[in-house]
Amino acid sequence: KNQVEQSPQSLIILEGKNCTLQCNYTVSPFSNLRWYKQDTGRGPVSLTIMTFSENTKSNGRYTATLDADTKQSSLHITASQLSDSASYICVVRYSPGGTSYGKLTFGQGTILTVHP
Amino acid sequence: NAGVTQTPKFRVLKTGQSMTLLCAQDMNHEYMYWYRQDPGMGLRLIHYSVGEGTTAKGEVPDGYNVSRLKKQNFLLGLESAAPSQTSVYFCASSYGTGGVYEQYFGPGTRLTVT
Repeated sequence: KNQVEQSPQSLIILEGKNCTLQCNYTVSPFSNLRWYKQDTGRGPVSLTIMTFSENTKSNGRYTATLDADTKQSSLHITASQLSDSASYICVVRYSPGGTSYGKLTFGQGTILTVHP
Repeated sequence: NAGVTQTPKFRVLKTGQSMTLLCAQDMNHEYMYWYRQDPGMGLRLIHYSVGEGTTAKGEVPDGYNVSRLKKQNFLLGLESAAPSQTSVYFCASSYGTGGVYEQYFGPGTRLTVT
């Protein structure tokens, strides 16, 4: 069964500190992996999309890593800000042969709270 | 550019009532999707559309119907609402579905069925 598991479920850090969120997946065949940020009461917004051949991708203070061999990804947030408080969702796309739609499998998200 | 918009933002229904959620996008995207988000679970795909006039079932289609009469609009209907359909509904759109096409999400509709 295709699954995406994220850890921790929630995390509290102080402003200015770094943190790392984890994502393990069993989706196969793998197409790409995405990290989304979802603010409370809003829709998810894409942070990064990584394909099989990419093992690191940055977007400002956000850096995502991907190990396709171990089927693990991480999202590292540097010098956290209050505005980083949100849910971070790991999403894996797979492409089952013979279909035109590559399904996205969503993790349950990690809720990050940044305190001043 | 408004992106993806959803109407309404909130709604309370009684069991058995019907309603339609409207999604509109102004990015000329071919693909549109309806998801539901429940506490402690990842977003789950209800229905999707690969172009005007076409729709297809996702993971959890039971109890919902959709229509895509115009390219920019994707409607989600609940014919007879049930408490299990209490959820936050998100619409999304993308230019393509293959490769690394991004999905752009609307702000969501919070539906409560009593």
